[in-house]
Amino acid sequence: QKEVEQDPGPLSVPEGAIVSLNCTYSNSAFQYFMWYRQYSRKGPELLMYTYSSGNKEDGRFTAQVDKSSKYISLFIRDSQPSDSATYLCAMIKAAGNKLTFGGGTRVLVKP
Amino acid sequence: GAVVSQHPSRVICKSGTSVKIECRSLDFQATTMFWYRQFPKQSLMLMATSNEGSKATYEQGVEKDKFLINHASLTLSTLTVTSAHPEDSSFYICSARVEANEKLFFGSGTQLSVL
Repeated sequence: QKEVEQDPGPLSVPEGAIVSLNCTYSNSAFQYFMWYRQYSRKGPELLMYTYSSGNKEDGRFTAQVDKSSKYISLFIRDSQPSDSATYLCAMIKAAGNKLTFGGGTRVLVKP
Repeated sequence: GAVVSQHPSRVICKSGTSVKIECRSLDFQATTMFWYRQFPKQSLMLMATSNEGSKATYEQGVEKDKFLINHASLTLSTLTVTSAHPEDSSFYICSARVEANEKLFFGSGTQLSVL
């Protein structure tokens, strides 16, 4: 079983809809949580970064962490075709450790 | 966010030659950088952790002699694919860690094609 599970999708939504993404993890040692967006043949771009349970908002993006349930989410409001990409959750157990990725969810926002 | 520059973005080489990929942190110092490999429609696979001034730490199954990593300064790490073969063709991505907050920023990636 993978330490971090993420539905591969694809997730198809109409323009303007809310995109809802999530990841579950099995090890309670994870402390830092990130969401990346990756376009085809490009490096991942850091979207959100959190280290505590609760919600964090940045523009159209909201990241949610529930450490008791070992569950993190990313919501994208007012989705645009330019949001079509693969979204990767990632987490770190402790300072200095390597990043553990989910498998990525492919999102397609249709005009 | 912080900027990580990776060059070249694309390289085509003949089998048996060596290829060097550079990763630079442009606006911060990075004691630790990471090198990943990514196959189509798959997630990133960590190859090695590069530490400034010391030897890199390789993941299980990654050949140290084939993938040479040098991290000679706080802003530059290089990956050299030695005696490249077609099976080494892949998308290689580097990342650099901001120690103050554990954020990792990625380069734009290098598509290596070995003929």
